[in-house]
Order: sequence, then structure tokens, then C-alpha cells
Amino acid sequence: QITLKESGPTLVKPTQTLTLTCTFSGFSLSTSGVGVGWIRQPPGKALEWLALIYWDDDKRYSPSLKSRLTITKDTSKNQVVLTMTNMDPVDTATYYCAHSFGFRDPYGYWGQGTLVTVSS
Amino acid sequence: VIWMTQSPSLLSASTGDRVTISCRMSQGISSYLAWYQQKPGKAPELLIYAASTLQSGVPSRFSGSGSGTDFTLTISCLQSEDFATYYCQQYYSFPWTFGQGTKVEIK
Repeated sequence: QITLKESGPTLVKPTQTLTLTCTFSGFSLSTSGVGVGWIRQPPGKALEWLALIYWDDDKRYSPSLKSRLTITKDTSKNQVVLTMTNMDPVDTATYYCAHSFGFRDPYGYWGQGTLVTVSS
Repeated sequence: VIWMTQSPSLLSASTGDRVTISCRMSQGISSYLAWYQQKPGKAPELLIYAASTLQSGVPSRFSGSGSGTDFTLTISCLQSEDFATYYCQQYYSFPWTFGQGTKVEIK
């Protein structure tokens, strides 16, 4: 059974760096093809794709946020970490991590999401 | 970047209705399109992938069609539990992108 769960701060101040951790079970990020990605959703708005890391450490980013995002994995801990620098109130959103079975496979499993509010 | 136009943004329907949601791409994506359902306060759930393949456990009243640039999600007989927001997503090329969503509400 594949599960994912996001963790991190619920409140960050403008200009701070956000660090979110996705802890998963039921699969390994050392398995060929597997990927874990991050998606966010501002309150009442649509989903926005952020980043994705594959089993072989191939990393993909949203072009509009690439300068602010870093995605890494710790295979031994079954974790994927997303950092986003220079947070702004417009970054207030629910952040989800999700699993992909392979290149050109969609997100079949999602975490429950974590709401991050950016406010001073 | 592949841009997506999802329509309508709001759909009012009654239980038992047949509803159709459209997703149009700015360029061809073969069949690399997924549909998700999202209920309030919950994570999205995968309904359909590869444009027309039903995810395991998804009721057969859901169906998807299309290829290239034009895609459709159809719910053949709307049930009470289907009132939700639906998103299309292309995974043909990076950055992956989502449609703006279609909220299906009770008429």
C-alpha cells in the first residue's frame, strides 16, 4: 500500500525559506522509473505543478519557480524534500506530494496535503 | 510550456445527468492526459490516465476520450458523490500542467 505524507511549518514569514518533507511508504525511490513530485493549490484556486524527482536523481522544475525551488531525495529515509526560497504571501497554499510510477505516468497516489501560510 | 484550456469552469447538473468536460491543449500531447477528481478539503484522486484508461476502482460511469489536442471527460449518469471539482493534467512534457478545473455543482 502506497502512502505519502507531507510535513513542515504551517506558518512562514515573508522572505523566509520553506522546507517541506514528503515521507512515503509502500515503494522505493531506488526502483527504476519511480518519481515523487510536489504540487500546490492556493485557497480556492487550481492545482499548480512545482517539481518532480526521479529514481535516478533526474530533477524537473516549474520554469516560473525554478530559481526558488530545490528538490532532493533521501532514499534510505524514504523522503523527498522541497525547499522554496524567498517566500511571499502569494505562496500561501496547500502543498501536496505525489507518486508517479514512471516517466510519462501521472500521479496515482497523493499525500493529504499541508497548508502553508505566508504572513508576517 | 503546454497551455491547457479546460471548460466549462462551472457546471450545474442534476443527479442522473450526463455531463461532459473539455480540455484543449496548446499543442499535441498524444494521449498523455489524466483526469483527477477533487472534493473539498481532500487531495485530488486519479480517475483516468492515458486519456481513456480508467484507474482501478473508478466507476464505469466515468470515461475519457481524445488524443492530440482535444480531450473529454464524460460522466454518464451523475451520482451524488460525483459533485466535485475535476482537473485535467498533461504529462507529455515538462513542465507538467493542470487545467483550471471544472466545478460540478448541484443544479
